[in-house]
Amino acid sequence: AQTVTQSQPEMSVQEAETVTLSCTYDTSESDYYLFWYKQPPSRQMILVIRQEAYKQQNATENRFSVNFQKAAKSFSLKISDSQLGDAAMYFCAYRSASFGNEKLTFGTGTRLTIIP
Amino acid sequence: GAVVSQHPSRVICKSGTSVKIECRSLDFQATTMFWYRQFPKKSLMLMATSNEGSKATYEQGVEKDKFLINHASLTLSTLTVTSAHPEDSSFYICSARPIAGVWETQYFGPGTRLLVL
Repeated sequence: AQTVTQSQPEMSVQEAETVTLSCTYDTSESDYYLFWYKQPPSRQMILVIRQEAYKQQNATENRFSVNFQKAAKSFSLKISDSQLGDAAMYFCAYRSASFGNEKLTFGTGTRLTIIP
Repeated sequence: GAVVSQHPSRVICKSGTSVKIECRSLDFQATTMFWYRQFPKKSLMLMATSNEGSKATYEQGVEKDKFLINHASLTLSTLTVTSAHPEDSSFYICSARPIAGVWETQYFGPGTRLLVL
């Protein structure tokens, strides 16, 4: 079974600075998807960024980018120019690419605080 | 795009009653929807996978007779908590996977807070 580990329960960053959230996973599969979701105080889960394992290029979405290291099974999220609205719980998630196996396996989350 | 709604957003009920929660994909069709439960300050726990036109697949330890799931159409899935008890109080979140487009991604509803007295 796949597992996702987020070793940082809490992180804080000064507004406008850069922060990196860590995520590692364990799988025997070669093809899969990785996601970062954000859950602000409203508790609405919002997709931040998505990475296909077969793509070597790291995904980017505006101020958000990932460092995907397939061999190391690492998938960290970098937030540049942090803003107050970035304060939230961030969950890393894994999904198999196998047909019929659509479950998302979530990490335990990292609570990000933005310091004004 | 990819908006998922849930109704109600919060509900308070008496112990022993049943509560129905609706999950709708507003701008896309979804053959598969998912129901999660989230305890305070915890991660999401998958309860079941809902497939349009067929029976839901429940995760180990989830009582299918207590948490009834019906995926009536390509845009609607419902979760009914039957004979609710205080220990069923939780935050329930649904997600939907589009048929077309970014099919590998789940989009989440805003959640339903259930309090059983």
